[in-house]
Amino acid sequence: KAGVTQTPRYLIKTRGQQVTLSCSPISGHRSVSWYQQTPGQGLQFLFEYFSETQRNKGNFPGRFSGRQFSNSRSEMNVSTLELGDSALYLCASSLDPGSGYTFGSGTRLTVV
Amino acid sequence: DQQVKQNSPSLSVQEGRISILNCDYTNSMFDYFLWYKKYPAEGPTFLISISSIKDKNEDGRFTVFLNKSAKHLSLHIVPSQPGDSAVYFCAASAGNMLTFGGGTRLMVKP
Repeated sequence: KAGVTQTPRYLIKTRGQQVTLSCSPISGHRSVSWYQQTPGQGLQFLFEYFSETQRNKGNFPGRFSGRQFSNSRSEMNVSTLELGDSALYLCASSLDPGSGYTFGSGTRLTVV
Repeated sequence: DQQVKQNSPSLSVQEGRISILNCDYTNSMFDYFLWYKKYPAEGPTFLISISSIKDKNEDGRFTVFLNKSAKHLSLHIVPSQPGDSAVYFCAASAGNMLTFGGGTRLMVKP
């Protein structure tokens, strides 16, 4: 079966711009979560959606937002980009925690 | 406040021997613990998980041990293979979110 698909794979944006990243979960997975990976902070939880509702949010500023559609696809948006937002953004989908979260390949965002 | 810690940033083992990766946590509310393998510029790959009510789970060459009283878990890989060389992340689950450790880079030498 198809895995978690993230688009685009790579993105370069300028400070102050906004960006939208997309994630298509594994078919049947209704939970979609987002993570940021940076060399300094490691892998950090951004937010998690289930049936179009945000159930959890990590410790990130309000510039980071997301949403989930009725087909479970999810998008995350970062507004007013800062240099420190440069990171690998990972999306994961899950049936339940015990079966593991399956991650996509990520979107590498570079802010210049 | 690091709730999940991997104190060894790197580990080197010989092919065929056992690799033991360790992880400590502080939050007693975690209900699942998971191990992931990761290559640069790729998403983590799920390896194995364990429920907080168990103390051992085995899947092929991978075994995870959980010591709740010590708030410690470990991943054993036997036998280690050169293809196992990667960064391994320990993660803990609570409330539908994962908290990751900082990772341990495993190098398996032929």
